Amino acid sequence: DGGITQSPKYLFRKEGQNVTLSCEQNLNHDAMYWYRQDPGQGLRLIYYSQIVNDFQKGDIAEGYSVSREKKESFPLTVTSAQKNPTAFYLCASTIRDRSAEAFFGQGTRLTVV
Amino acid sequence: KQEVTQIPAALSVPEGENLVLNCSFTDSAIYNLQWFRQDPGKGLTSLLLIQSSQREQTSGRLNASLDKSSGRSTLYIAASQPGDSATYLCAVSPPGFQKLVFGTGTRLLVSP
Repeated sequence: DGGITQSPKYLFRKEGQNVTLSCEQNLNHDAMYWYRQDPGQGLRLIYYSQIVNDFQKGDIAEGYSVSREKKESFPLTVTSAQKNPTAFYLCASTIRDRSAEAFFGQGTRLTVV
Repeated sequence: KQEVTQIPAALSVPEGENLVLNCSFTDSAIYNLQWFRQDPGKGLTSLLLIQSSQREQTSGRLNASLDKSSGRSTLYIAASQPGDSATYLCAVSPPGFQKLVFGTGTRLLVSP
């Protein structure tokens, strides 16, 4: 079945650690996105990539980094510079069309311990 | 700056009722509007996508309408069931780079 796979489902980070969230898709989509979801707030865009080896900052990119070496993969690293990383992280993908339907993964819940 | 508002924030209804969820947006220049469902602790499931040139879309018991000029969309759920209990999110795709702007959602509870 085609879809988006995020791993792990739960992730715990100690203070000062960098952690990487995985996102893989087999939908053959060119564009991929990372959103952050906090209670009582709408989803906010962290980074997006419309093509391999290219990505752009979204609305809240500070403290995060990404790479796009393969079409299928768009990992997100939460660095120690992100002061409030506890949140639910969602990966999405679309075809490269402004009116395209977006598909989402099942999310990763990151908690700082 | 595009802003999306969903009212009500929470809704509780008995099984079998027809119900309407509302979504409003401040800038009518959008490419599309999408409705999603989110179960607790899960990702988003796409329900309906309405292109900017369309007025409505239907899927089973769901019907979504779009009025760009007034900046409004409604999601109509017919004959609600307990399995419909979830949070419903709407999102618009504004001009510029390809992304979605989300509302904060309506949390729906359908009681047996």
